[in-house]
Amino acid sequence: EIVITQSPATLSVSPGERATLSCRASQSVSSDLAWYQQKPGQAPRLLIYGASARDTGVPARFSGRGSGTEFTLTISGLQSEDFAVYYCQQYNNWPRTFGQGTKVEIK
Amino acid sequence: EVQLVESGGGLVRPGGSLTLSCAASGFTFSSYSMNWVRQAPGKGLEWVSSISGSSGYMYYADSVKGRFTISRDNAKNSLYLQMNGLRAEDTAVYYCARVFLVLELAFDPWGQGTLVTVSS
Repeated sequence: EIVITQSPATLSVSPGERATLSCRASQSVSSDLAWYQQKPGQAPRLLIYGASARDTGVPARFSGRGSGTEFTLTISGLQSEDFAVYYCQQYNNWPRTFGQGTKVEIK
Repeated sequence: EVQLVESGGGLVRPGGSLTLSCAASGFTFSSYSMNWVRQAPGKGLEWVSSISGSSGYMYYADSVKGRFTISRDNAKNSLYLQMNGLRAEDTAVYYCARVFLVLELAFDPWGQGTLVTVSS
């Protein structure tokens, strides 16, 4: 099983600042890596697929990078609606696995 | 509009059974693999099971293998999860999710979820 490790667990950021979230896979997943955003009481929402492609309607302030085992999600100019929990997930191998999540909170 | 609507959750005693359903609309259901993902209260996301469009393959998390069965009825545009031998640790919101594209296997969209509570 591919273990996905996200860091940090919690990120405190002021509105307008940049947030950088990390995701590490225990073995290569190529570019088969997605990022999801989840707000309280809501289902997850796909932000990034293929490590760096934004889903339709996702603002350009969200960007994904990486391949193999190291990935990052950057949110440039955080807005109030961006404070949420973010999960990364690999879909290169079975079982599909998620990271434990990074909570982005208001500083 | 692509839509997924789960149903069938509820309170069940340990050792009991429950079947979840996911009604799909707005896309050619048979063309897409489908997935179940769960989230225990206050916890992260856990993949549960996946099934291909033609039901040719099915995969399960080790935590549910032998107890849960995924299936689909393409004529009814519906996905199912039969859950037997339920345990307290199966308590979670269960989401169904489609693969994003036929050849891009991220999960999108997701349903709103249905809560399963296993308790005596």
